[in-house]
Amino acid sequence: GAVVSQHPSRVICKSGTSVKIECRSLDFQATTMFWYRQFPKQSLMLMATSNEGSKATYEQGVEKDKFLINHASLTLSTLTVTSAHPEDSSFYICSARGESYEQYFGPGTRLTVT
Amino acid sequence: GNSVTQMEGPVTLSEEAFLTINCTYTATGYPSLFWYVQYPGEGLQLLLKATKADDKGSNKGFEATYRKETTSFHLEKGSVQVSDSAVYFCALILYTGRRALTFGSGTRLQVQP
Repeated sequence: GAVVSQHPSRVICKSGTSVKIECRSLDFQATTMFWYRQFPKQSLMLMATSNEGSKATYEQGVEKDKFLINHASLTLSTLTVTSAHPEDSSFYICSARGESYEQYFGPGTRLTVT
Repeated sequence: GNSVTQMEGPVTLSEEAFLTINCTYTATGYPSLFWYVQYPGEGLQLLLKATKADDKGSNKGFEATYRKETTSFHLEKGSVQVSDSAVYFCALILYTGRRALTFGSGTRLQVQP
């Protein structure tokens, strides 16, 4: 099946700094990528949807100035958590969708803000 | 709006026991239904899916039937193995609008030898 990678898998940063997470579709072109946040023992909450070459669509309650999403190519989307705070600590998961409408998920990035 | 409700876990079973994880949904249209599995330290993987009423999705001994009358998509397996220990997510998608998955809260399955 299709493979989606995320980098880094784990990151620890200090409060007030910014962190960038990359999501890549390795063997297919992803017209749409999704970013989710997963809290411990809870479900995945959709944060935003991004289409290649256009602005991301954010879900209600997600701060677009805090969670910057860029989908510059058909194989790469990035999520930048700006001015991170401890409450931003979470597991961030991306998924990518090609022409088949099936979504393929990355392995996730665990962010810890100290 | 759309939502998915799953039974709370953890579900703890002995090897070779029968598994049922309940899932019900509400949707504003006619959704496709999915079960995803997340093994420890890994990303979500599609386990099975069904796209219309009375369809049965199956994979690796797991199966689920799309029941429109009860808005349910319960996951079953006749004989679980230790390697099935994971978190299972029920999800739906509507092929209108942004076509994003809506997930249930996940059910952790622990299979003991």
